[in-house]
Amino acid sequence: DTGVSQDPRHKITKRGQNVTFRCDPISEHNRLYWYRQTLGQGPEFLTYFQNEAQLEKSRLLSDRFSAERPKGSFSTLEIQRTEQGDSAMYLCASRYIRPSKDVQSSYNEQFFGPGTRLTVL
Amino acid sequence: TQLLEQSPQFLSIQEGENLTVYCNSSSVFSSLQWYRQEPGEGPVLLVTVVTGGEVKKLKRLTFQFGDARKDSSLHITAAQPGDTGLYLCAAEGGTYKYIFGTGTRLKVLA
Repeated sequence: DTGVSQDPRHKITKRGQNVTFRCDPISEHNRLYWYRQTLGQGPEFLTYFQNEAQLEKSRLLSDRFSAERPKGSFSTLEIQRTEQGDSAMYLCASRYIRPSKDVQSSYNEQFFGPGTRLTVL
Repeated sequence: TQLLEQSPQFLSIQEGENLTVYCNSSSVFSSLQWYRQEPGEGPVLLVTVVTGGEVKKLKRLTFQFGDARKDSSLHITAAQPGDTGLYLCAAEGGTYKYIFGTGTRLKVLA
């Protein structure tokens, strides 16, 4: 399987605990995104990486959240001191951006992983 | 803030009926994607449209990107129970970051 994978698929934790999620993107993809999705809503952008560089973070990403992509391959998302409001599906997506002066010719789709469902009790 | 509004939010129809889902914004986008998501899974890409006025067909699904690249529609002909799911539009605002719509939850009854 060469798709995006995420681990774990489900995580139940108690309020105040730290959790870490992992995302393995499609191997040749240089861009990696993290999203959060609550029930009945569309995914909300959290952050993204171009190779190992974290280029943008949403205001949704509080100080308790940190993401890394140390070698430009897999990524981790850590939530410290979890709160009940953190309960959601955390989605990872990857994409290949081809350098080009023409934006449309450098376009490629993003592909999502299956997500990690977090429940904070 | 760029927003994508989808309508309707919920749709319950009988097998064999036709339906259209809309995705609207006041912003112009360089491309727009449609996804379907099933419970407990990540969104799966259905189609990408990049040119204003573009129409793409995927079996019984027809996707259209507005001329001004601010809106899109998804039309399903002769819906089947297997079409049941959450349909999401997503647009790229030119910074390689995606914004998702509010979603349309479709249920097709046999």
